[in-house]
This record gives sequence, structure tokens and C-alpha cells, in this order.
Amino acid sequence: DAKTTQPPSMDCAEGRAANLPCNHSTISGNEYVYWYRQIHSQGPQYIIHGLKNNETNEMASLIITEDRKSSTLILPHATLRDTAVYYCIVRVVNYGGSQGNLIFGKGTKLSVKP
Amino acid sequence: SAVISQKPSRDICQRGTSLTIQCQVDSQVTMMFWYRQQPGQSLTLIATANQGSEATYESGFVIDKFPISRPNLTFSTLTVSNMSPEDSSIYLCSVDVGYGYTFGSGTRLTVV
Repeated sequence: DAKTTQPPSMDCAEGRAANLPCNHSTISGNEYVYWYRQIHSQGPQYIIHGLKNNETNEMASLIITEDRKSSTLILPHATLRDTAVYYCIVRVVNYGGSQGNLIFGKGTKLSVKP
Repeated sequence: SAVISQKPSRDICQRGTSLTIQCQVDSQVTMMFWYRQQPGQSLTLIATANQGSEATYESGFVIDKFPISRPNLTFSTLTVSNMSPEDSSIYLCSVDVGYGYTFGSGTRLTVV
């Protein structure tokens, strides 16, 4: 079973920030938080990942709480093309060793509206 | 990141037949992964394929139904055997590129 909890759906106005929450209260010390999205009829696309520090890239920002039990993915200026299902996943990462598999939950269906 | 080509992109098959899906990567990768996405559902991991060893299957998936080949570091195949309508799904190949997984565009299979 997936180790994360996400709202099933969210709406966001075009041009506004989309804030997608994720709970992962049982996360372990060597588990990273990953975010992927799946636009209709396409394969999932990697967005961002982090361990405990906040992360930012050209697509999004990832805010992880200090206790690491929850996180928020932020799309700063949502466009209609950001309409997709967003998956929050925790995954074991062992540098130099075996890695955990990517296990998908149900995700959040984000609808960006004009 | 790696670029993945999957073939076929879609197919309609008769029940009882088998379909082999091909996954080609433009760089050498150690591990390749096969996922299934049933209609309206999330992705489910079928198996992990390492070159030179037998694939590792997740609970609920067996080799007789989903045989996998991994002949080299850039290629893998997944066969869906003795198909039934319940096998109608999107099948996706993915590889670990270090910071995460890259996915192919998938094979949309309809069994009639």
C-alpha cells in the first residue's frame, strides 16, 4: 500500500499558485519524498524530490515540514497545461546500495481552470 | 535523463492470445521496471528486470502470465499471456535515472 495520503481532487485558477498537500506520517529516515505527475494519456513525469530541506527547480517547489510528516508541492503560476494527476511518493534511497521501488498511490487530480 | 521508446503504442487483441511489448532505452541502465495502469486507476508495479537475472515480480503478478526478458542493458520485453478482458490496461516501462524514474509513453492494450 502507498504510504502517503493526498486529497483526491483540487481546483486552481490559471495564473495562481497551486499548493498540493501530502501526508506521510510514517516516513522513515532514509525515505525521500518524490512528486510525479501524469497528464492524460501520457506516462508519469518526474517533478521534484527531497529529503528534509525545501527544494526548488524550474517546475515546482517542494516544502517539507520539519518533522517530515507532510509536504506541499507548489506550482507557482499554474497553467492549463498543469492539469494532471499529481502523485506524492515516499521512496527508500540508499546511496551505494539498493533502492526502494516507486509505489504509486491514488494521487490528486488537479484541474486548472481559466 | 533517458529516452524510452515503447512499442506498440496501442493494440486490440483477441482473448486467449499473447502480446509482447518492447521497451528500448537510449542509454544503458541497470534496472528496468514494468507497470500496469488499469482504466481509471493508479499505476501498479508488475516487476523489476535486471540484466542477466530473472525478473522480480510483485505480489499478484506471476512469471507465467507476464514473462519478461532483459537481454541487454538497453532493452526489455513484457509479454501479456493468455489475455482476458481484465488485462485491458496501459502497460508502462520505466528506468531509474538516478534522481528518479523516467517513463515511456505506454502501451494501451484492449482485449476483446
